[in-house]
Amino acid sequence: GAVVSQHPSRVICKSGTSVKIECRSLDFQATTMFWYRQFPKQSLMLMATSNEGSKATYEQGVEKDKFLINHASLTLSTLTVTSAHPEDSSFYICSASLGGGNQPQHFGDGTRLSIL
Amino acid sequence: TQLLEQSPQFLSIQEGENLTVYCNSSSVFSSLQWYRQEPGEGPVLLVTVVTGGEVKKLKRLTFQFGDARKDSSLHITAAQPGDTGLYLCAGAKGGTSYGKLTFGQGTILTVHP
Repeated sequence: GAVVSQHPSRVICKSGTSVKIECRSLDFQATTMFWYRQFPKQSLMLMATSNEGSKATYEQGVEKDKFLINHASLTLSTLTVTSAHPEDSSFYICSASLGGGNQPQHFGDGTRLSIL
Repeated sequence: TQLLEQSPQFLSIQEGENLTVYCNSSSVFSSLQWYRQEPGEGPVLLVTVVTGGEVKKLKRLTFQFGDARKDSSLHITAAQPGDTGLYLCAGAKGGTSYGKLTFGQGTILTVHP
C-alpha cells in the first residue's frame, strides 16, 4: 500500500519551456503533498507543502510564480516549472501523506528535469 | 540552519563490517523516520520511531530513538553490497505541521564486496 506515482520520470526540454510534473497517490487519499528538489548526492530540500483545496505553502526562497503548485484532488498534485532555465535542472520529488503530525511520507520516484 | 545533523556524510566500508549513522538535533521531534534512497529513485521508508527510547529492528538494521526524542541512530550489522545507498533521517514536529519533515544531510553508504 501507500504507492505514489510521479510522472514523467525524465524531461529534457529547451530553455523557456514550461514543464508540468504530476504526483498521484494511487491507493490512498493524500490530504497533504510535498514537493522537494534534490541536487546530486545531497539531501532533499523542501520547496512547498500543498493541501488539497487550498493554496500551497512555499518555503523561504522558493519563487511561487516560478513553481506553480496545484492540488485539486486528494489524489493528484501538480508542479509546473514555468519558463524553465538551465539552473532549474534538478531532480524533483513529490511525496504524499495522509496528513497529521506523525503520518509518514510516501515518495514518488522523482522526475529528472534537464533544461538545455 | 540545519536542524537535524546527520553524520557521517560519507561511509565506505567492506562487506561484513558494522556501521552506525547518527542524527542529532537540539529540537524535540514527535517522530523520526529513516529512509533509504537509490540513485534516480525516490526515498523508501524504512522505519518510523515515535516513542523516546524506542528500538526497532528490521533484519540487520537497528533503529533507536533517543530518550528525549532529539536524536536517533541507525546501526547496520554485517553490511552487504545491497545496503549501498543514501540514508536519510527526517524528523516530524507533529501538531499542525501537516507532517512536514526536517531532513538530515544524508549519509552516502558504499559497501564494497
